[in-house]
Amino acid sequence: EIVMTQSPAALSVSPGDRATLSCRASQSVSSNLAWYQQKPGQAPRLLIYGTSTRATGIPARFSGSGSGTEFTLTISSLQSEDFAVYYCQQYNNWLRTFGGGTKVEIK
Amino acid sequence: QLQLQESGPGLVKPSETLSLTCTVSGGSISSSNYYWGWIRQPPGKGLEWIGSIYYSGSTYYNPSLKSRVTISVDTSKNQFSLKLSSVTAADTAVYYCARHAGVLPFDIWGQGTMVTVSS
Repeated sequence: EIVMTQSPAALSVSPGDRATLSCRASQSVSSNLAWYQQKPGQAPRLLIYGTSTRATGIPARFSGSGSGTEFTLTISSLQSEDFAVYYCQQYNNWLRTFGGGTKVEIK
Repeated sequence: QLQLQESGPGLVKPSETLSLTCTVSGGSISSSNYYWGWIRQPPGKGLEWIGSIYYSGSTYYNPSLKSRVTISVDTSKNQFSLKLSSVTAADTAVYYCARHAGVLPFDIWGQGTMVTVSS
C-alpha cells in the first residue's frame, strides 16, 4: 500500500495570501496524483488530477506541481470559499490511497 | 448532469451486514470506461477507498476490507450496491459513492450517507 503523508496538518492563512500544501508518497506514483477540497458536511470535490491539470470549473488560482513522491498544491490568493480541508490521493494502482488532509483555516 | 445518491439504513447492529445502494441519474451506469466506487470517512478522519465495480461486474477491492466487502451492479436500475459484513464500531462512517474513469481519480461524488454501527 502506498502511504500518502500531507503537511502541515493545519495551515492558518489570511485572505488574499498564498497557501502551499505538501503531499509525499511512500513510493513513486508517477504523475498519478489528485487533490480534493472538502468543506464541512460536503463530499470531496476534485480540484486537480494528473498532478497539475485542473478539473472542470476549478479556478486558475489553484495549481499543482511535483512528480514521483513529492507534490504541492498552491492556492495563489485565498478566497473566503477556499477555507476547507484538502486531501491528496494517489491512483497509480488500483489500491488508491488518500493523505490525512490539510485544514486551511482563516488567520 | 450526472448525479449519484446513496441510500440505506443509517444504523446497523454490530456483527450484522451494512447494505447501501447508489443510484445514478442523468447518465448510464453502463457507460464505457467508467467505474463506480465506494469510499468511506469515519467521523473527523480521512478518506478510505473501499472498492470499485465496472458495469460488466468486474470488481476491485481494498485488500484491508476484501474479506468482508461485496460490491454489485444492477444495470437495469442504474444502481450499484455495497455490502459490508460483520461490522463493528470501527465501520461507523460517512459512506460515499463516486465515479472514476479507469485508473483516474473520483470526479463525481454522491452527497454521502452516515452509517452508525451500534446496538
